[in-house]
Amino acid sequence: NAGVTQTPKFRVLKTGQSMTLLCAQDMNHEYMYWYRQDPGMGLRLIHYSVGEGTTAKGEVPDGYNVSRLKKQNFLLGLESAAPSQTSVYFCASSQTGGFISEQYFGPGTRLTVT
Amino acid sequence: GQQVMQIPQYQHVQEGEDFTTYCNSSTTLSNIQWYKQRPGGHPVFLIQLVKSGEVKKQKRLTFQFGEAKKNSSLHITATQTTDVGTYFCAGPTRSNDYKLSFGAGTTVTVRA
Repeated sequence: NAGVTQTPKFRVLKTGQSMTLLCAQDMNHEYMYWYRQDPGMGLRLIHYSVGEGTTAKGEVPDGYNVSRLKKQNFLLGLESAAPSQTSVYFCASSQTGGFISEQYFGPGTRLTVT
Repeated sequence: GQQVMQIPQYQHVQEGEDFTTYCNSSTTLSNIQWYKQRPGGHPVFLIQLVKSGEVKKQKRLTFQFGEAKKNSSLHITATQTTDVGTYFCAGPTRSNDYKLSFGAGTTVTVRA
């Protein structure tokens, strides 16, 4: 099993360009998440999904959109990139449960917006 | 803002020494999780604590959940170079919620 995979691993964008980050998991997890990580700020939740066809906003959703058309995939889109979106992006997934269960993270995408 | 606060932000440790990192919440947590992120890597789940006063050990790592379920600690004994990385605690934003709130992390460096 590959676990959680992310593509691409690195990307450089110019201000105003758009792109889509792809996250895929092969563990049949219901929940999927997109985080951004900036120095000194830990992991901040952008959007999340509790099942196929559902999405919800997290802590910092502005400037991002997501889609969960298939259970195994969770896409993060930037419609018009800004330098403030320079960050490392992590996708994660978890199984359902009464308590929120452990999250499995992908390797990350390092995005630079110039 | 973040629900859970971690201290210290940085910890410089001599190899072989012990250290503790702390996680504090303004609200009662149903459970708390700890993750480790090696430099250049991704967060990896270490442990989950659920019960008040719970203590769990993983080799040289000891995790504790406070009696009031508002704080937690990670104690590492006889630090090794393999302990280098950032340790995050995370708690649900509300009980039985689907979202975790991560602390800012404690970044550990080790002097050989």
